[in-house]
Amino acid sequence: GDSVTQMEGPVTLSEEAFLTINCTYTATGYPSLFWYVQYPGEGLQLLLKATKADDKGSNKGFEATYRKETTSFHLEKGSVQVSDSAVYFCALSDDQAGTALIFGKGTTLSVSS
Amino acid sequence: EAGVTQFPSHSVIEKGQTVTLRCDPISGHDNLYWYRRVMGKEIKFLLHFVKESKQDESGMPNNRFLAERTGGTYSTLKVQPAELEDSGVYFCASNPVGIGEQFFGPGTRLTVL
Repeated sequence: GDSVTQMEGPVTLSEEAFLTINCTYTATGYPSLFWYVQYPGEGLQLLLKATKADDKGSNKGFEATYRKETTSFHLEKGSVQVSDSAVYFCALSDDQAGTALIFGKGTTLSVSS
Repeated sequence: EAGVTQFPSHSVIEKGQTVTLRCDPISGHDNLYWYRRVMGKEIKFLLHFVKESKQDESGMPNNRFLAERTGGTYSTLKVQPAELEDSGVYFCASNPVGIGEQFFGPGTRLTVL
C-alpha cells in the first residue's frame, strides 16, 4: 500500500540555519503531496502542497518540490526562526479530491535563538 | 469563519469506561474525516463521512469504535469499552467535495489508564 517515510527527529537548529526535512513516498498512480505543520497547542495546518510532478509548493519561506523520479518531497527553508519550532508531517493522498491522507511519523523541529 | 472544533481537548478515563469525542466541521463541508495519532507513530486514518454516510471506514481498528454523523453536521466517535492502546490524539478534519486540502481541528488527547 501507499506509504510516507520522513526523517526521524528531533531536529535542533540555531536561528537562521538552513533546514531540510526529508520525505519519500511510495504510491501507485500520481498522488498529491502535502506538508502539514502542528505548532504547540494547535491543530494541524497545511503548510504547502504539490499536485503533480515538478510542482513546487511554497509558503512562509518553506519550499518543497514534487520529484517523481526520486519519489521525494523534501521540505526546505533557507533561514529558520524560533517561531518555526513545531512538528512537521509529510502526507500524500491518492487524488486531488483528498480522500484519506497518509502521513509520515512527523519530525519535531526545535529552533533556538 | 470558524475552523474545525473538537471537544473535549483532553480526556482521561479508566480502562473499560466509555468516551465520546465530538467534532464540528467547518460549515458547509460535506467531507469529514477522523484520524488518530498514537504517541510517536504516524497519524492514521480512521474513517471518512460524506454528509451523513460512511464513505470509508477501513481504518477503524475494531468494533469498540463507533462513529456517527447524524444530519450530516457534527460527528461523534465513541469508544466503548476503552482499552489502554486507545490512548492517543484523535484528529478530525473536513473539506468540501473536490478540494484536496483537509482542514484539521486541534485534536482530542485521550488517555486511558
